[in-house]
Amino acid sequence: NAGVTQTPKFQVLKTGQSMTLQCAQDMNHEYMSWYRQDPGMGLRLIHYSVGAGITDQGEVPNGYNVSRSTTEDFPLRLLSAAPSQTSVYFCASRRTDRGNTEAFFGQGTRLTVV
Amino acid sequence: DQQVKQNSPSLSVQEGRISILNCDYTNSMFDYFLWYKKYPAEGPTFLISISSIKDKNEDGRFTVFLNKSAKHLSLHIVPSQPGDSAVYFCAASVRTGTYKYIFGTGTRLKVLA
Repeated sequence: NAGVTQTPKFQVLKTGQSMTLQCAQDMNHEYMSWYRQDPGMGLRLIHYSVGAGITDQGEVPNGYNVSRSTTEDFPLRLLSAAPSQTSVYFCASRRTDRGNTEAFFGQGTRLTVV
Repeated sequence: DQQVKQNSPSLSVQEGRISILNCDYTNSMFDYFLWYKKYPAEGPTFLISISSIKDKNEDGRFTVFLNKSAKHLSLHIVPSQPGDSAVYFCAASVRTGTYKYIFGTGTRLKVLA
């Protein structure tokens, strides 16, 4: 099993550019989410989805867009990159059919906005 | 408004000794708690969890304690090993509803050989 796969691993963007961070999971998990990790801030939830066609905002959603057309994929779009979006981004998924369970994380995407 | 707090950014422990990592939360609706370990350039990996119906859960060298009245949980690692050196995050969620986790800011553990 590949688990949760994120691409790309590294990306440099210019201010104002847009891009999509890809996330795919092969565990048939209903729940998927995006976090960003910044020094001293821990992992902060950006957006999440409890199933195909359903998304919702987390703690820090501004500047990001998501959609969930399939169970497997949950891309994160940066609409107009800003230096404040320089961060490490993690995608996670978990099952929801057995109450609370642990989430599985991808390897991360390190994004630098210059 | 930080709902999950890890007040110690770092901790150093001698190999073989006990490591104790602490986590406090403010939301009384949280009823499921997890600890994750993170190595540099890798994603967080699940370590251990505890439901609010318990006050202790053990898995090998790792034990999590939950004190609901104090809204406090701790992770004990005994004995500590150099390979345990990593950043540890605690997370909390509400059992029903959104399924989302709220993470703390992390504690960097260094186990000295």
